[in-house]
Amino acid sequence: EVQLVQSGAEVKKPGESLKISCKGSGYSFTSYWIGWVRQMPGKGLEWMGIIYPGDSDTRYSPSFQGQVTISADKSISTAYLQWSSLKASDTAMYYCARRRTTVTTDDAFDIWGQGTMVTVSS
Amino acid sequence: SSELTQDPAVSVALGQTVRITCQGDSLRSYYASWYQQKPGQAPVLVIYGKNNRPSGIPDRFSGSSSGNTASLTITGAQAEDEADYYCNSRDSSGNHLNWVFGGGTKLTVL
Repeated sequence: EVQLVQSGAEVKKPGESLKISCKGSGYSFTSYWIGWVRQMPGKGLEWMGIIYPGDSDTRYSPSFQGQVTISADKSISTAYLQWSSLKASDTAMYYCARRRTTVTTDDAFDIWGQGTMVTVSS
Repeated sequence: SSELTQDPAVSVALGQTVRITCQGDSLRSYYASWYQQKPGQAPVLVIYGKNNRPSGIPDRFSGSSSGNTASLTITGAQAEDEADYYCNSRDSSGNHLNWVFGGGTKLTVL
């Protein structure tokens, strides 16, 4: 079964660092881009960025550039999203999602992780 | 970066047809994909490309596109279709390896 399994919920204080993970299985992890999506409480989906685990090519949404770091360890089929200094406004659900193809006409995100809830509160 | 605009809420009577739209300049260059999200669950891909359904998605879901507008149509809406729906496409301005979501449409099945 093709799946993405994310790490568990986190509760952190402002200023702390955090790294959450997304582990792929059931497919060739290095051959598919992995994207990250934020959903703040009661709000819509926001695109954060994407990484190609095969060569770690990474692109960020302008809104998130400099605010987070996306990385991957292909040896363990895992992508990461990290913060160096969390803010209360980072409180949200974070999803990873697999880009199904690089063919433009069929582009989409077909497999989603279950989400990681990050709560930042003093 | 590009923006995608959706109506915040739409309602449909059980068994009737509903169209959810998404507008944006990037849709002149790229197809939209559509995601269904039910409360407390991760999004699920329902339509991608010109009009493709992933395995397991009922054929009452279909997609179309014209100019700067993409549409998701549910023909014969069921109670279980009540959910939030998001469109998504690549960004056609600047960094083309960037994606953008619409604000989402809350579908109510009456």
